[in-house]
Amino acid sequence: GENVEQHPSTLSVQEGDSAVIKCTYSDSASNYFPWYKQELGKGPQLIIDIRSNVGEKKDQRIAVTLNKTAKHFSLHITETQPEDSAVYFCAATTSYDKVIFGPGTSLSVIP
Amino acid sequence: SAVISQKPSRDICQRGTSLTIQCQVDSQVTMMFWYRQQPGQSLTLIATANQGSEATYESGFVIDKFPISRPNLTFSTLTVSNMSPEDSSIYLCSASAGGAKTQYFGPGTRLLVL
Repeated sequence: GENVEQHPSTLSVQEGDSAVIKCTYSDSASNYFPWYKQELGKGPQLIIDIRSNVGEKKDQRIAVTLNKTAKHFSLHITETQPEDSAVYFCAATTSYDKVIFGPGTSLSVIP
Repeated sequence: SAVISQKPSRDICQRGTSLTIQCQVDSQVTMMFWYRQQPGQSLTLIATANQGSEATYESGFVIDKFPISRPNLTFSTLTVSNMSPEDSSIYLCSASAGGAKTQYFGPGTRLLVL
């Protein structure tokens, strides 16, 4: 069935450094790829998304890239801050409009 | 974006009982969904709540265990029936509007079954 893999599972960076999280998906018909940030005790919050007709999208310190041929997409956070510490989930929408979530990446930004 | 609230935010229940979780959206939405998130795990879709018809359940989830209602375009409930400790989890409601695929999530209901 449809599957989304995500790496790494945990990531620690120094404040000010960049963080990169990578995902792969299996359904070649997927055309929408959201990223969610989940802080402890809260629901997932959409932080950025990208559609299959776009290769890259940026919003301030956050950027997402998509390689449809390789079925890869990545989240890039620059100039990380302690408040970026959270669990990040990538997701892909299948051909049936069902959203499949990756297993998550726990990001720690060390002051 | 849609603002979603859930009630209760958390509960501790005895095995064999049932709990109904409410989800309220601040605007009319097309689709509403219920997810389960085990501690430290990712999100698993339980079902899609359809307005005016029966919910669509994912493999491994059945209506008798997780009955869902959606009486209008802004409200849905999920009941966790005949609970066991294995039902201890976070239950999340989400919604999307129009033909958009973007889902917005509520804060979740943290359930502990003793």
